[in-house]
Amino acid sequence: EAGVAQSPRYKIIEKRQSVAFWCNPISGHATLYWYQQILGQGPKLLIQFQNNGVVDDSQLPKDRFSAERLKGVDSTLKIQPAKLEDSAVYLCASIQWVGELFFGEGSRLTVL
Amino acid sequence: GDSVTQMEGPVTLSEEAFLTINCTYTATGYPSLFWYVQYPGEGLQLLLKATKADDKGSNKGFEATYRKETTSFHLEKGSVQVSDSAVYFCALSGKDSSYKLIFGSGTRLLVRP
Repeated sequence: EAGVAQSPRYKIIEKRQSVAFWCNPISGHATLYWYQQILGQGPKLLIQFQNNGVVDDSQLPKDRFSAERLKGVDSTLKIQPAKLEDSAVYLCASIQWVGELFFGEGSRLTVL
Repeated sequence: GDSVTQMEGPVTLSEEAFLTINCTYTATGYPSLFWYVQYPGEGLQLLLKATKADDKGSNKGFEATYRKETTSFHLEKGSVQVSDSAVYFCALSGKDSSYKLIFGSGTRLLVRP
């Protein structure tokens, strides 16, 4: 079974530029999450999707972050404009309905 | 709000030593508790979990017991190996939070031969 795929693995941008991360969850997984993991900290939830609808985006900084999950499969997380404090690893995770939550390897963002 | 506190690292042990990584939590109701592991260059993997008080989760020689009275979920292993070197995260999921995980800050374990 293929795991959660994320790209790009690494991205370096200047502040005020934009960036987008892509996630392809495990086939058949209805629920998808984006987490932000700042160096030295545990992951923090940004947004949760159920199929193509947003369940919880209360922790998403909506002035600069946006996310979508068209057709209830792939998802994209965008940051525009990026700030220095957005430097982090962005993790995507998915789960079918119940059971184990599976994480991707993450996309590491460095903002200079 | 809900939170997880775990001991700071790094924890450095010799091979075959006993491991304990402390984790305590604050939550309303009765959350599910998890330990995740992140090996170098890899994604987070579920190590073990417990869903109710006094449950013991176990996997790959690691164990943790859900202690409601002390709000703790300490990770233990009787004899660590070099291959156990990784970052370990304690996490909770509230009963009504649909697997939305709240993580501790992580504890790095380094096992020396």
